[in-house]
Amino acid sequence: SQTIHQWPATLVQPVGSPLSLECTVEGTSNPNLYWYRQAAGRGLQLLFYSVGIGQISSEVPQNLSASRPQDRQFILSSKKLLLSDSGFYLCAWDNRFSYNEQFFGPGTRLTVL
Amino acid sequence: DAKTTQPPSMDCAEGRAANLPCNHSTISGNEYVYWYRQIHSQGPQYIIHGLKNNETNEMASLIITEDRKSSTLILPHATLRDTAVYYCIVRRNAGGTSYGKLTFGQGTILTVHP
Repeated sequence: SQTIHQWPATLVQPVGSPLSLECTVEGTSNPNLYWYRQAAGRGLQLLFYSVGIGQISSEVPQNLSASRPQDRQFILSSKKLLLSDSGFYLCAWDNRFSYNEQFFGPGTRLTVL
Repeated sequence: DAKTTQPPSMDCAEGRAANLPCNHSTISGNEYVYWYRQIHSQGPQYIIHGLKNNETNEMASLIITEDRKSSTLILPHATLRDTAVYYCIVRRNAGGTSYGKLTFGQGTILTVHP
């Protein structure tokens, strides 16, 4: 069966510090991968998606970046965090040939102080 | 993708059916209706989806009107664990090298009470 992992679960970082969030998927090959963010009291916003290794598309301009160094690994990064980067970050995957269901990870709650 | 409109909140008594409405009057012929839910501090969970026929699975039923401009998610016997934010999403199903972007609105906060 497929599983999706995210770490860390919670993170408190000062403004201006770097960020690296990691997501890995097990039990599937060639997944589409997604990074979403949910700010406090708001809906989920798609940040990045990837259809393959090294292929990243950005949905919104921001100071975050994403990378996909391996087929089932998706990384969200920032060189300098802003207060507005606080939120709940969710990684998700689905099968590129069957979009019936998108599977979400447990999320990382980031607080920037 | 078409936009959706949902009531911000609803209440339901435990054991009763919860009927969550969604309006999607600008839906296109090739767009599906999806429902996800998000329990507090967790990632969203897929519930059900449909194109134009009514659908049922172990979690819920989806009723889509004939003109496809609105739909209703039915939880037949709501439990306290069904308390969550329910999102109605309209999306094209893409295949091949495309991707399946989900656009989440504010959803409906469903509170199931004893």
